[in-house]
Amino acid sequence: QVQLVQSGAEVKKPGASVKVSCKGSGYRFTGYYFHWVRQAPGQGLEWMGWINANSGDTNFAQKFQSRVTMTRDTSINTAYMELSWLTSDDTALYYCARGSPGGVATGFDYWGQGTLVAVSS
Amino acid sequence: QSVLTQPPSVSGAPGQRVTVSCTGSGSNIGAGYDVHWYQQLPGTAPKLLICDNCNRPSGVPDRFSASKSGTSASLAIAGLQAEDEADYYCQSYDISLSGSVIFGGGTKLTVL
Repeated sequence: QVQLVQSGAEVKKPGASVKVSCKGSGYRFTGYYFHWVRQAPGQGLEWMGWINANSGDTNFAQKFQSRVTMTRDTSINTAYMELSWLTSDDTALYYCARGSPGGVATGFDYWGQGTLVAVSS
Repeated sequence: QSVLTQPPSVSGAPGQRVTVSCTGSGSNIGAGYDVHWYQQLPGTAPKLLICDNCNRPSGVPDRFSASKSGTSASLAIAGLQAEDEADYYCQSYDISLSGSVIFGGGTKLTVL
């Protein structure tokens, strides 16, 4: 069965970077897009960007363009999201999600369990 | 402020029908982009409920349905059940934001 398993919770200081991983299994990894979505405590969903797991092409929300990097390692079926220059506003649950077949405007049919990133001095 | 506007909350009694609206603009829903709906139960990851131009995810009851007209979309839940109490989000795509995925702000459904 399709599964997305994310790395564990992180606590970071302001100004630091965090790298979250998302390992896919049960399907052909390179056939899909990975999206990253975050959810601050008590807030809604915020899309951060996507990576094409085959080509490595990326596209980011304007808000994150200057400080987010998305990569993937096809040898281990894992996608990564790195966010730099963290502030307390970045404290959130970070989710990876698989885009349904058909391009970047499709729904997200599978989600990881979420990774809590807490930013505190 | 989300690009897609949803009511913060809706409520209904068991057995009733409720709808959740999602209002966009000419650069997203009005431009013909697909609208997808998610259900998020407390403490869990969002789950795809309804998607445009794709097969209904397995296990989603047909009590859930969606529609779209002009710059708006709606999620309808018929025969409301206690386990439907959750947050619901709409999602689409916006061509004016360098091709960005966009979410609504979310709607909390309370089953009375």
